[in-house]
Amino acid sequence: AQSVTQLDSQVPVFEEAPVELRCNYSSSVSVYLFWYVQYPNQGLQLLLKYLSGSTLVESINGFEAEFNKSQTSFHLRKPSVHISDTAEYFCAVRAPGRRALTFGSGTRLQVQP
Amino acid sequence: KAGVTQTPRYLIKTRGQQVTLSCSPISGHRSVSWYQQTPGQGLQFLFEYFSETQRNKGNFPGRFSGRQFSNSRSEMNVSTLELGDSALYLCASSLAGTGGDTGELFFGEGSRLTVL
Repeated sequence: AQSVTQLDSQVPVFEEAPVELRCNYSSSVSVYLFWYVQYPNQGLQLLLKYLSGSTLVESINGFEAEFNKSQTSFHLRKPSVHISDTAEYFCAVRAPGRRALTFGSGTRLQVQP
Repeated sequence: KAGVTQTPRYLIKTRGQQVTLSCSPISGHRSVSWYQQTPGQGLQFLFEYFSETQRNKGNFPGRFSGRQFSNSRSEMNVSTLELGDSALYLCASSLAGTGGDTGELFFGEGSRLTVL
């Protein structure tokens, strides 16, 4: 079984400041790692994923995450946030060969002007 | 191409009633998964269907059921509704089949169920 811990339920930050959203996971097997974003009254959108290979993965809108196997972490970072990044962010894991995602409890990113 | 479509978007039911939610996956996607999202429990996996067969099931009571049709459209049903069933129900579709392990999940906007 897998579990995901998102250490911060809310992260307030000023526009153009850097941000890090933390995610730790627990699993007895290797897993795939994902970050999803949810805007108000919408479904989930995939932000980025780690399946294998380079431990640093990037999204098209400036977010990046680094897989750290020894610390079982997959923290999400952005060097300069925009107002439009205000949303809820979910970290998730999935075991290879299985379709079910296990989600963390989410982190609400609030970008202030 | 069109995304995942869920209907209805909003609905209100009373305790004891039943509800059916519908999900149309992206064209060509054969895997459909359902998730329940509540403020207290977060996002929880309900079940996943592929080629009309349930492949995985989460830890929900038997009141929660689903099915998939030959055109990959899926429905989920909740019988004997309880107040705690109030939630956003999200459907996700995926291109991946049994061998496609890197399939991204594409989510719909959800069906928000309120049980009074």
